[in-house]
Amino acid sequence: QKEVEQDPGPLSVPEGAIVSLNCTYSNSAFQYFMWYRQYSRKGPELLMYTYSSGNKEDGRFTAQVDKSSKYISLFIRDSQPSDSATYLCAMSEGGYQKVTFGIGTKLQVIP
Amino acid sequence: EAQVTQNPRYLITVTGKKLTVTCSQNMNHEYMSWYRQDPGLGLRQIYYSMNVEVTDKGDVPEGYKVSRKEKRNFPLILESPSPNQTSLYFCASRWGGEQFFGPGTRLTVL
Repeated sequence: QKEVEQDPGPLSVPEGAIVSLNCTYSNSAFQYFMWYRQYSRKGPELLMYTYSSGNKEDGRFTAQVDKSSKYISLFIRDSQPSDSATYLCAMSEGGYQKVTFGIGTKLQVIP
Repeated sequence: EAQVTQNPRYLITVTGKKLTVTCSQNMNHEYMSWYRQDPGLGLRQIYYSMNVEVTDKGDVPEGYKVSRKEKRNFPLILESPSPNQTSLYFCASRWGGEQFFGPGTRLTVL
């Protein structure tokens, strides 16, 4: 079993839809939970991160962490065609520890 | 502008010919790392460094070397490249939950 599991998709949604992206993990010591967006042929770009548990909101994006279920989510409201990309979750036990990534979910927002 | 730079961006080489990919960051981050990205396998960490002269293995360190002699630089060394090291490589620097990636180096080993 992988330490971080993420459905690779692809996921297709119409423009304006609410998108839900998820990851599960097995390591209860993870404290940093990060979400990245990666466009084709580009490096991953940090969208947001949370430390420990709880929710975090930034514009159209909301990240949630449920440590009791070992489950994290990224919600995108009012999705736009420009949101079409691969979304990667990543986790780490600490600020100086190894970072483990999910395989990424490919999202397509259809105009 | 805060950034991570890598060179070269593209490299085609032959089996066994030593190569170095350079990485530099201007954010004064202590933590730097190298990843490789392969279809169906995602991003996997090769090595990471918590500070100058302090490095540790990631998930796939075999066949790679690193050194951290200065805070801003973290080169990746392939002493005897093999075709299974053909991949897209990313350097990154990090502070807490914020990790920033370079633009990537596409390496082909023939």
